[in-house]
Amino acid sequence: TQLLEQSPQFLSIQEGENLTVYCNSSSVFSSLQWYRQEPGEGPVLLVTVVTGGEVKKLKRLTFQFGDARKDSSLHITAAQPGDTGLYLCAGGVWNTDKLIFGTGTRLQVFP
Amino acid sequence: DTAVSQTPKYLVTQMGNDKSIKCEQNLGHDTMYWYKQDSKKFLKIMFSYNNKELIINETVPNRFSPKSPDKAHLNLHINSLELGDSAVYFCASSQNPGQGYEQYFGPGTRLTVT
Repeated sequence: TQLLEQSPQFLSIQEGENLTVYCNSSSVFSSLQWYRQEPGEGPVLLVTVVTGGEVKKLKRLTFQFGDARKDSSLHITAAQPGDTGLYLCAGGVWNTDKLIFGTGTRLQVFP
Repeated sequence: DTAVSQTPKYLVTQMGNDKSIKCEQNLGHDTMYWYKQDSKKFLKIMFSYNNKELIINETVPNRFSPKSPDKAHLNLHINSLELGDSAVYFCASSQNPGQGYEQYFGPGTRLTVT
C-alpha cells in the first residue's frame, strides 16, 4: 500500500518564523502536488512538481521534489497568519489519474 | 460561479437510512472523483469517473454507489448508512486523467450518522 507520511503533524509558530514540512514515502511517484485546505473548504492546489530534484517557488513558499521522486518538502519563509491551514501533499500514481494524499500537516501561525 | 459544487453541505441522518450527495462541475472537465476525509483529515479516494465511465473503484463497501448521468455530474448514493460512514465527502474534477493535472475540489459534504 502506497503511503505518504507528513511531518510534523502539527505546527504552531509565530508570524515571521520559517518552517519546513516534509512528505516522505517508500514509493516512487510520477508527480507530487501540494494542496492547502482551510476549514469548511476543499483542498486547493498550490503547486505540482513532476521532475526528480525539481524546485519551484511561489512567493514565500519553496517546494522541492526529491531526486528519487519519493519525497518532497515545502518551506515557508516569514510565515504569516494567512498561511494557517492544513497542508496536504499528494503523489501521482504512475499511469493512472489517482492521487495518494499524505497524512497532512496542520499549520497555525500566530500574529 | 462555483467551479465544483456539492449538495447538501451538511447531512445528519440515522443508521440504516439511504442518502445521496450530489456533485456538479462547470469546468468542462472529463474526470470526476469522490474522496472521503476522516476525522484525522486523511483524504482517501473512493471513485473516479472519466466521461461517465468508472475508472477507479477503491476498496469501498458496495453500499456506496456512484452515478454519473453526464460528465458534469457525479452523484454518490449510500445505502444502509453506518456510524463509520460519518466523514466529510469531497467531490473533485480534473481536466484530463493523467499525471500532474490539478484536481479541483468542491466544498465538501459533512455526513453525520447517528
